Amino acid sequence: SQELEQSPQSLIVQEGKNLTINCTSSKTLYGLYWYKQKYGEGLIFLMMLQKGGEEKSHEKITAKLDEKKQQSSLHITASQPSHAGIYLCGALPSGAGNDMRFGAGTRLTVKP
Amino acid sequence: DGGITQSPKYLFRKEGQNVTLSCEQNLNHDAMYWYRQDPGQGLRLIYYSQIVNDFQKGDIAEGYSVSREKKESFPLTVTSAQKNPTAFYLCASSMETGGTNEKLFFGSGTQLSVL
Repeated sequence: SQELEQSPQSLIVQEGKNLTINCTSSKTLYGLYWYKQKYGEGLIFLMMLQKGGEEKSHEKITAKLDEKKQQSSLHITASQPSHAGIYLCGALPSGAGNDMRFGAGTRLTVKP
Repeated sequence: DGGITQSPKYLFRKEGQNVTLSCEQNLNHDAMYWYRQDPGQGLRLIYYSQIVNDFQKGDIAEGYSVSREKKESFPLTVTSAQKNPTAFYLCASSMETGGTNEKLFFGSGTQLSVL
């Protein structure tokens, strides 16, 4: 089965600093999804990447999928307290279907 | 407003008791899911359903049961066979079935604890 490994497990940054979260797959990714979760709440969809080398941005968050489609990174520029939460990557093992699997998540704390 | 509603927010289970978690969506989505989240761990797939009256086991289905009698509803029963039920349970839905663009919409979760 496909394993998604995220690093780091947790991250504490000072407000205004940049940071990067990584998601590595044991198999080729057909699509990689990034979600954000506030503590004790559901997940909110951020971005989806499908093509090798693809990069997408939304406000101060940029996600990339490497050319080999086995690793994705999520980069936050000039972090703010509102960025705090748990970031999870998800993928469909076969590329299609309804059985999405997730990594363990990265817990981000932003100190004011 | 369209969305997914999970209830209750907090639930307590006694030994040997079955409990049912509710999940309702008004997004007209075909697919629905149940995930379990333990502290420090990611989401693990319990069951998913692509269509009414049909559902598939995920990675940790033992001790759980589901039904999909209506498109809008996908309740999860945690049975007494589930020996470690304490966890945060998340329900989700998505528009497509079997597609390659599976953006999931999540409910706000139910925290289940054992008394």
